[in-house]
Amino acid sequence: GEDVEQSLFLSVREGDSSVINCTYTDSSSTYLYWYKQEPGAGLQLLTYIFSNMDMKQDQRLTVLLNKKDKHLSLRIADTQTGDSAIYFCAETGYALNFGKGTSLLVTP
Amino acid sequence: NAGVTQTPKFQVLKTGQSMTLQCAQDMNHEYMSWYRQDPGMGLRLIHYSVGAGITDQGEVPNGYNVSRSTTEDFPLRLLSAAPSQTSVYFCASRGGVGNTIYFGEGSWLTVV
Repeated sequence: GEDVEQSLFLSVREGDSSVINCTYTDSSSTYLYWYKQEPGAGLQLLTYIFSNMDMKQDQRLTVLLNKKDKHLSLRIADTQTGDSAIYFCAETGYALNFGKGTSLLVTP
Repeated sequence: NAGVTQTPKFQVLKTGQSMTLQCAQDMNHEYMSWYRQDPGMGLRLIHYSVGAGITDQGEVPNGYNVSRSTTEDFPLRLLSAAPSQTSVYFCASRGGVGNTIYFGEGSWLTVV
């Protein structure tokens, strides 16, 4: 089947903003999600956006959704070293379809 | 409310052995699923269930069996373990606000 696409790596300096991009496949997805995975741990839900929204803000996190282009992004403001992790976007279909994850490295 | 509980957390198997990964959730979610996570491959769906008595195959079902006799439990069975099944396995359930998926903490399986 078609894949949810994400860039594999992103490196930013502490204090800068990070933007992680995702292209999804199913235009009928009701919800789109961002998950965070720290080394050796499971996946933690960061945030989700309903498909009839363009933007959702939650503290340092901003999610933008462009349904026309099937593009989802996650912006992390004032990125901290503790934000270093793998970030997965996911779309809902009959099962949850994940991207391969973006490894975010935050350097001091 | 424990969420999704997986056991064991770590397991080493010999090729050809069988074992069962246990998964239980206490959120009364109808939907449960098993994923495996391999380096560079992201998460791939093995099997899923939309309710007790109903299971279906995901992207990579070969070598695995599931059953769903109750809403709470969704065990994953490896019938005859192979080195290619060395992976991290995540059980998940789905429901509630945002139809959110909740993951277990993962099971690290090595087949030698």
